[in-house]
Amino acid sequence: KQEVTQIPAALSVPEGENLVLNCSFTDSAIYNLQWFRQDPGKGLTSLLLIQSSQREQTSGRLNASLDKSSGRSTLYIAASQPGDSATYLCAGFNFGNEKLTFGTGTRLTIIP
Amino acid sequence: DAGVTQSPTHLIKTRGQQVTLRCSPKSGHDTVSWYQQALGQGPQFIFQYYEEEERQRGNFPDRFSGHQFPNYSSELNVNALLLGDSALYLCASSLVRDYEQYFGPGTRLTVT
Repeated sequence: KQEVTQIPAALSVPEGENLVLNCSFTDSAIYNLQWFRQDPGKGLTSLLLIQSSQREQTSGRLNASLDKSSGRSTLYIAASQPGDSATYLCAGFNFGNEKLTFGTGTRLTIIP
Repeated sequence: DAGVTQSPTHLIKTRGQQVTLRCSPKSGHDTVSWYQQALGQGPQFIFQYYEEEERQRGNFPDRFSGHQFPNYSSELNVNALLLGDSALYLCASSLVRDYEQYFGPGTRLTVT
């Protein structure tokens, strides 16, 4: 059974700093891992998806990595902006278990 | 290209009542999954529909049921509502052999 953990639950950093969000998972037979952004009371916006055969994906100021052997993924945000304030969720997809297993998220606040 | 849409946006029901939530998938997608997100938690998988059949189910009671129509849209029905059913209900669509999921804005259900 896949379990996903995100630490810390909340993070505050000054604007302009680079930061890393962490995600760990228990089942290394992961097919892909997705990072999502969620604004308060809203749905999920997909940021990056990393296939099991890949090690990282980049989109603009975002870079996500996947290390199956250690059961970890990280989301790197460069030059943070106040508009990056949101909850960030990671979710793993295991082949044969047709669902996403989510962590509880990291609530990120960027201080102007 | 329309993304995933859900209706209604908000809903208030009384304990014991029944509710139906609706979802239209992203254009071209044939698979719909439903998730429940309690406040401060990550989304939990309810079930998935493909070819008008329930393909997989999470750990939710039989009070939760669903349907998929020939046009791939889907409904989530919850009977005998409990206070604990209050949550954000998210619909996600995908292609059956492409596991990247796209989420709708959600329906906020409040049970009083």
